[in-house]
Amino acid sequence: KNEVEQSPQNLTAQEGEFITINCSYSVGISALHWLQQHPGGGIVSLFMLSSGKKKHGRLIATINIQEKHSSLHITASHPRDSAVYICAAILDGSGSRLTFGEGTQLTVNP
Amino acid sequence: SQTIHQWPATLVQPVGSPLSLECTVEGTSNPNLYWYRQAAGRGLQLLFYSVGIGQISSEVPQNLSASRPQDRQFILSSKKLLLSDSGFYLCAWSPLAGGLPDTQYFGPGTRLTVL
Repeated sequence: KNEVEQSPQNLTAQEGEFITINCSYSVGISALHWLQQHPGGGIVSLFMLSSGKKKHGRLIATINIQEKHSSLHITASHPRDSAVYICAAILDGSGSRLTFGEGTQLTVNP
Repeated sequence: SQTIHQWPATLVQPVGSPLSLECTVEGTSNPNLYWYRQAAGRGLQLLFYSVGIGQISSEVPQNLSASRPQDRQFILSSKKLLLSDSGFYLCAWSPLAGGLPDTQYFGPGTRLTVL
């Protein structure tokens, strides 16, 4: 069983919809990243958070340490948001090493 | 500003041939450096990380090795490639943060196909 799990694996939405991607983890962590991977493979770090909530433009990331759960929300989704979104956790005692979820393939149709 | 370079961008190699992928970081000193692999249809996996010159930690047993000959240079190598080495290889760096977690910045990646 992976220590970091994401859901759903695949998500298709219509432009303008509100999107939520979930990430849960089974052990203690010091921080959690949300990453975005575009079809060419390049990866961009969207957020790193260890508590509470962060917002950047139409993206919002939240984390609940007690429940071991994080969510990535996209408001007013757009076709250019289509990408793979990856949750990655820094497990306690692992220094700065990331443990990755399997990723969520998001497709936003116009 | 900091930038991270990887080359080559794509590579097709026969089974049994050697491999050398290079990653360099500009605009920062003493970064933590990482090599990741993403096999087809699978998630990212950490292969190696380095906190300083000559200091390499391996996460998974494999026929790959890594070296850090200079502060901002990280090299991934193999003496004999296997078919299972095919994948997308990503280099990343993060600031030296005194043991505290920090953002990781990813390179553009190298797509390796072993035939």
